[in-house]
Amino acid sequence: GAGVSQSPSNKVTEKGKDVELRCDPISGHTALYWYRQSLGQGLEFLIYFQGNSAPDKSGLPSDRFSAERTGGSVSTLTIQRTQQEDSAVYLCASSLAHRNTEAFFGQGTRLTVV
Amino acid sequence: QQQVKQSPQSLIVQKGGISIINCAYENTAFDYFPWYQQFPGKGPALLIAIRPDVSEKKEGRFTISFNKSAKQFSLHIMDSQPGDSATYFCAARSTNSGGGADGLTFGKGTHLIIQP
Repeated sequence: GAGVSQSPSNKVTEKGKDVELRCDPISGHTALYWYRQSLGQGLEFLIYFQGNSAPDKSGLPSDRFSAERTGGSVSTLTIQRTQQEDSAVYLCASSLAHRNTEAFFGQGTRLTVV
Repeated sequence: QQQVKQSPQSLIVQKGGISIINCAYENTAFDYFPWYQQFPGKGPALLIAIRPDVSEKKEGRFTISFNKSAKQFSLHIMDSQPGDSATYFCAARSTNSGGGADGLTFGKGTHLIIQP
């Protein structure tokens, strides 16, 4: 596609429910990144994929968070048993290659846990 | 070691004035310093970036000044316009494996308002 696409744009969920956030990167981009943007806290790096593999998952906030990428393209970030502190904007970015090329961001998914 | 400190948190500048946002870092392995611009409801977009082999980079009205010895870099917006009103994030990353965070490390952002 022309840019990084994320869905849904907005998600309101009840505390304790599971949610899935989707990221469709720019075609041909091998690197994919997930960030979390909380109010007044900037962007927090969560995880990156090189192809389908995620070499380092230590940025994920807790074991309720998981992510996968299939076919070297679409990625899904899953949050299980959501808590109110999970409320944030979740941003996805992709780049041609890891580390040394520009990362392009999607518009984000605004998650609200009530 | 991974922190990037950004200031000010918010900034109001008159149209035509110069907007200045400052960042400082600690990790000496960082060798790529981008600035991102974010409008409400949108994802961050790369504005301008610099590597530490130069002390200044200019693109149109936007200039990055880089001080390697002080581990500081700043964004200058000349002739600021109301359309520049947005949140600006500085960031840093090591482009070499083993140099630290795999993703960009971001500052907390500066909310810039340009008054007409």
